[in-house]
Amino acid sequence: QSALTQSASVSGSPGQAITISCTGTSVDVGSYNLVSWYQQHPGKAPKLLIYEVTKRPSGVSDRFSGSKSGNTASLTISGLQAEDEADYYCCAYGGPNTMLFGGGTKLTVL
Amino acid sequence: QVQLVQSGAEVTKPGSSMKVSCTPSGGSLTRYTINWVRQAPGQGLEWMGSIIPSIGLTNFAQKFQGRLSITADESTNTAYLDLSSLRSEDTAVFYCAGQSPGTANAFDVWGQGTLVTVSS
Repeated sequence: QSALTQSASVSGSPGQAITISCTGTSVDVGSYNLVSWYQQHPGKAPKLLIYEVTKRPSGVSDRFSGSKSGNTASLTISGLQAEDEADYYCCAYGGPNTMLFGGGTKLTVL
Repeated sequence: QVQLVQSGAEVTKPGSSMKVSCTPSGGSLTRYTINWVRQAPGQGLEWMGSIIPSIGLTNFAQKFQGRLSITADESTNTAYLDLSSLRSEDTAVFYCAGQSPGTANAFDVWGQGTLVTVSS
């Protein structure tokens, strides 16, 4: 199975909102509401931001939100802050019993 | 907040094997489905496989079939990743990532990562 497709980079100014997309297929993203999103700062382990497409773990800011339409999932970050500058990865259940990551999107806060 | 604690960095030669351990601090291994994720230098995340420690059920990404082993030892509360027939392109940071009950197919707790360098 191929990795999920993410744009390589996105940028925004403080206070703005940005959206990162993650495109899969009808076998993975399109078939299950099992998409998660991770934030990774340089040299650090990833951190879970969103799971099951729209759910936020306790402690994650409500500036982060997730959605899905068809074979594409999206992560929206509102009210951009400098500390949001990081790499973002989507991940989806690829069935059976396999997981797929996207290639990652580098967010630059201008 | 429980964290996963991994073993230290390794340098190993092509053709050899590597073994990385992962232990939850202050918690039981059997609470989690343990996944292993690798990240080559400057590259993205790649899911390798998983284990349900309480029953020893494993799943692997197809590209690692045959040279990847994931085990769990309840007596030491530790999960292990074994990768054999190493090549230079296996040089990466390896993370264990735990999936807690209630976070379906998502990794809510991570280890700090273990750098494995494959070099002659």
